[in-house]
Amino acid sequence: EDQVTQSPEALRLQEGESSSLNCSYTVSGLRGLFWYRQDPGKGPEFLFTLYSAGEEKEKERLKATLTKKESFLHITAPKPEDSATYLCAVGSSNTGKLIFGQGTTLQVKP
Amino acid sequence: NAGVTQTPKFQVLKTGQSMTLQCAQDMNHEYMSWYRQDPGMGLRLIHYSVGAGITDQGEVPNGYNVSRSTTEDFPLRLLSAAPSQTSVYFCASSPGWGLSTDTQYFGPGTRLTVL
Repeated sequence: EDQVTQSPEALRLQEGESSSLNCSYTVSGLRGLFWYRQDPGKGPEFLFTLYSAGEEKEKERLKATLTKKESFLHITAPKPEDSATYLCAVGSSNTGKLIFGQGTTLQVKP
Repeated sequence: NAGVTQTPKFQVLKTGQSMTLQCAQDMNHEYMSWYRQDPGMGLRLIHYSVGAGITDQGEVPNGYNVSRSTTEDFPLRLLSAAPSQTSVYFCASSPGWGLSTDTQYFGPGTRLTVL
């Protein structure tokens, strides 16, 4: 069964304290792995797409990496404005659909 | 470009009432979809459409209807609202054919409460 699990559920960091969010997946035929950011009361906002193991993408303080079983979203020297819920989703060739994880809520304190 | 727009932003219904959630996009995307988001459940696909006149069911379609008469619009109808349909609803669109391969762009959401 296709499945996506994100950890931790919640993460509190001090400003400047780097960390990583994990997205573990089981999927029959990975078509793509997507990272989204969601602010309270708003829709998910696209961050990255990764298609194959070993691929990496960066945007400002965020870097996403992909292996055959998991993806990491590394946050370097975070700022309070990075506080949000980060969602991971995988595309399945089995169902042809996206499967979303439950998200990691990040809080960065000044 | 307004992107994906949704109306209303908030709605309260009584059990048994019907209503339509509106979704529109101005990016000429072929693919549109509806999700619901519940605490601890992640985003779950309700219905989707690969183009005007073509719709299909997602993971949780019961109690909802959709139609796609134009490329721009993809309304979601609740036939007889139930408290279990209390949720936040998101509409999304993507430029390509593949839900599993193409980036989806989400609307701001409709927060629905069914009493």
